[in-house]
Amino acid sequence: GAVVSQHPSRVICKSGTSVKIECRSLDFQATTMFWYRQFPKQSLMLMATSNEGSKATYEQGVEKDKFLINHASLTLSTLTVTSAHPEDSSFYICSAPWTGGLDTQYFGPGTRLTVL
Amino acid sequence: AQKITQTQPGMFVQEKEAVTLDCTYDTSDQSYGLFWYKQPSSGEMIFLIYQGSYDEQNATEGRYSLNFQKARKSANLVISASQLGDSAMYFCAMSPWRGGNKLTFGTGTQLKVEL
Repeated sequence: GAVVSQHPSRVICKSGTSVKIECRSLDFQATTMFWYRQFPKQSLMLMATSNEGSKATYEQGVEKDKFLINHASLTLSTLTVTSAHPEDSSFYICSAPWTGGLDTQYFGPGTRLTVL
Repeated sequence: AQKITQTQPGMFVQEKEAVTLDCTYDTSDQSYGLFWYKQPSSGEMIFLIYQGSYDEQNATEGRYSLNFQKARKSANLVISASQLGDSAMYFCAMSPWRGGNKLTFGTGTQLKVEL
């Protein structure tokens, strides 16, 4: 089946640094990918839609200058958390829609970010 | 706007028994998709089952079935013959149309399967 990978799986950084998270579709092309954030014991909240070859679309309340998204190719999207602060500590998870005959999205394994 | 409501924060079920996880939704869209995902403690989101709003038959995938009642706007997940490995958080979600669109998630139900 479709596989989506994320790297790194876990990252700890100091406040003020930037962190890049990669999301790859391994056996299919994804012109669109989605980035979600999940705080402990809460649901997934969509942050932005990553579009290959064009700018990302951000959900209301998400700072686009803080969460930079680049969809460099049909299999890779990156999320960069710039000048991270402790309140950015969360579980970040990406997804890509699978169009191979089944209407669903496949999720990456997620990245747990801890900002000290 | 779409909204998903899961009213059961936690559920317990005995091994080998069936369990129903509730999900109601609200949308003004005529066409939409409904999904259930399982999230174990590792955090990964595992796709379980999908139901299109125009599908007349309830979706089934192995031990999972989706009890779709369009008039009541409900899409309950039924897990038959529960196993210890089914213990996880379960999320109901919907998208406007087809899976390619962004998902709106419910708050989830934590299921614990007991011996």
